Amino acid sequence: AQSVTQLGSHVSVSEGALVLLRCNYSSSVPPYLFWYVQYPNQGLQLLLKYTSAATLVKGINGFEAEFKKSETSFHLTKPSAHMSDAAEYFCAVRVGNFNKFYFGSGTKLNVKP
Amino acid sequence: EPEVTQTPSHQVTQMGQEVILRCVPISNHLYFYWYRQILGQKVEFLVSFYNNEISEKSEIFDDQFSVERPDGSNFTLKIRSTKLEDSAMYFCASSELVGGAVEQFFGPGTRLTVL
Repeated sequence: AQSVTQLGSHVSVSEGALVLLRCNYSSSVPPYLFWYVQYPNQGLQLLLKYTSAATLVKGINGFEAEFKKSETSFHLTKPSAHMSDAAEYFCAVRVGNFNKFYFGSGTKLNVKP
Repeated sequence: EPEVTQTPSHQVTQMGQEVILRCVPISNHLYFYWYRQILGQKVEFLVSFYNNEISEKSEIFDDQFSVERPDGSNFTLKIRSTKLEDSAMYFCASSELVGGAVEQFFGPGTRLTVL
């Protein structure tokens, strides 16, 4: 069975600090992994995705994520948080021939001045 | 930039009433989806739709739910007799293709409140 776990429903960092949002997946077959961001009153916007071409994936707005098969993880990082990064972040996985995405429960990022 | 739109943004209804949630997918996309998120829980897949047919559905998508593409632009989710537990944020999504690392584009959601 496929599932995604995001540790920490709320993460708070200071502006300029490192952002680390955790995502672990469970899949019996090689997964396709995605990070989406949701700003207030907007839809889910793709930040980045893992396609198996490279384990370190760079996305928009300075975010990146590293696929670690041994740890079944796909954590999202950004070296220096900006106030505009405050949003909710969702990790998702798609496997096999199915089109549906399995989502984590989301992490709300708060950035303090 | 093309985007998925959803109406209404918030729908309040009485238990037992029918509701229709509307979505306009991106115009050249062929695959359409509904997801929902009950407050405090995960975003869950409900159904996918292609070529005027349901291609996948979850166990949540029972007989009270139906989807339709009534014209060339809209994609709707109907809940026939709403229950309190149907209160959730409903997201519509679309994609041009399927498989692999193909991205799904999501709308802003409709918040359904069942009283």
